[in-house]
Amino acid sequence: EPEVTQTPSHQVTQMGQEVILRCVPISNHLYFYWYRQILGQKVEFLVSFYNNEISEKSEIFDDQFSVERPDGSNFTLKIRSTKLEDSAMYFCASRTGMNTEAFFGQGTRLTVV
Amino acid sequence: QKEVEQNSGPLSVPEGAIASLNCTYSDRGSQSFFWYRQYSGKSPELIMFIYSNGDKEDGRFTAQLNKASQYVSLLIRDSQPSDSATYLCAVKSGSARQLTFGSGTQLTVLP
Repeated sequence: EPEVTQTPSHQVTQMGQEVILRCVPISNHLYFYWYRQILGQKVEFLVSFYNNEISEKSEIFDDQFSVERPDGSNFTLKIRSTKLEDSAMYFCASRTGMNTEAFFGQGTRLTVV
Repeated sequence: QKEVEQNSGPLSVPEGAIASLNCTYSDRGSQSFFWYRQYSGKSPELIMFIYSNGDKEDGRFTAQLNKASQYVSLLIRDSQPSDSATYLCAVKSGSARQLTFGSGTQLTVLP
């Protein structure tokens, strides 16, 4: 069964460092999302991406964050200068169309020290 | 601000009982509603979705939607210890149809 794949599963980084979280969405999917979940809190929407551009972003997704789809298969989330409060699980999700269900990857646990 | 509210629990039921999970949402224009199951440290896993008022059944799971009351529920019949998890209610909204999640209800099924 096709699945959304995220790497790495766990990343530890020092405050102020840049991190790139990677996702390989399901191959025929067209809409891509990043969500995050701080430990013990709710899953929060960060950004959506369609047709090689951001279609919507939340207030969390500030200038420190960026997304791109560099090669038609990978979908990346970059955090330029990590802060302690960026420590969270980051989930990638994808769907085929606007009115279909989203499938989530297994997540990347980011720990900023 | 679009909100999705759930009782955080914990909710404990004995094995074989019916577990009832509830959710309310603030955006009256919402059209699509989802229930995800999340085990600790894992990603959300889609259990059911519902778009129309009424009940939708899938195996041991029944989703109920009442748009007039802005209320969604999930019933789990014949609960099993393996159903122990956090259940997330989510509503699709926004121009990109992103999901707005509730904080989840922690369910424990006691053997």
